[in-house]
Amino acid sequence: ETGVTQSPTHLIKTRGQQVTLRCSSQSGHNTVSWYQQALGQGPQFIFQYYREEENGRGNFPPRFSGLQFPNYSSELNVNALELDDSALYLCASAGRGVYNEQFFGPGTRLTVL
Amino acid sequence: EDKVVQSPLSLVVHEGDTVTLNCSYEVTNFRSLLWYKQEKKAPTFLFMLTSSGIEKKSGRLSSILDKKELFSILNITATQTGDSAVYLCAVEAGGTSYGKLTFGQGTILTVHP
Repeated sequence: ETGVTQSPTHLIKTRGQQVTLRCSSQSGHNTVSWYQQALGQGPQFIFQYYREEENGRGNFPPRFSGLQFPNYSSELNVNALELDDSALYLCASAGRGVYNEQFFGPGTRLTVL
Repeated sequence: EDKVVQSPLSLVVHEGDTVTLNCSYEVTNFRSLLWYKQEKKAPTFLFMLTSSGIEKKSGRLSSILDKKELFSILNITATQTGDSAVYLCAVEAGGTSYGKLTFGQGTILTVHP
């Protein structure tokens, strides 16, 4: 089990609402990445935060936004929820050496009705 | 655009069999290739392969990377029912995409007693 934690475990929202997901990184890790995993698919990169700044973004619209805090924990915010946003949201933390394995949290299952 | 293709998409074997999972990739500015095992939620890190480490082994699992032909394989010998999971392959790019993982769709492995 990694030291990466996420909350909440499950969440049900309706279309148009907003949601905030949280992630605490593993001790000693200063980089947090967020991924969206639809059923039957591999995870897709949303964005990455390093030292409280966005450091790379995938093909997701601006209604997906995030934050990283001084303790390296992170939030993912999604506005104007759509049905297709239903997925497992994973965060992963890593150090910043030459090669860095990314360790994943247990994920938040979001259902949009 | 970076791309990862895994095959087969699913595999059913009996305990004691040996399996080989395939991963081919196209990525600009390759840094590393990673294998993960996903049972319920969190992908669990298995191996990282880089230019300086193209073969890895841990117990019954082993993996190689062919940077010339742009593929990797994951071997599992003497399979057990506990090996049943989705196996994900991901590549990490460098440069401005540092830390971004591009995943394949995954291989669903089912091991029957």
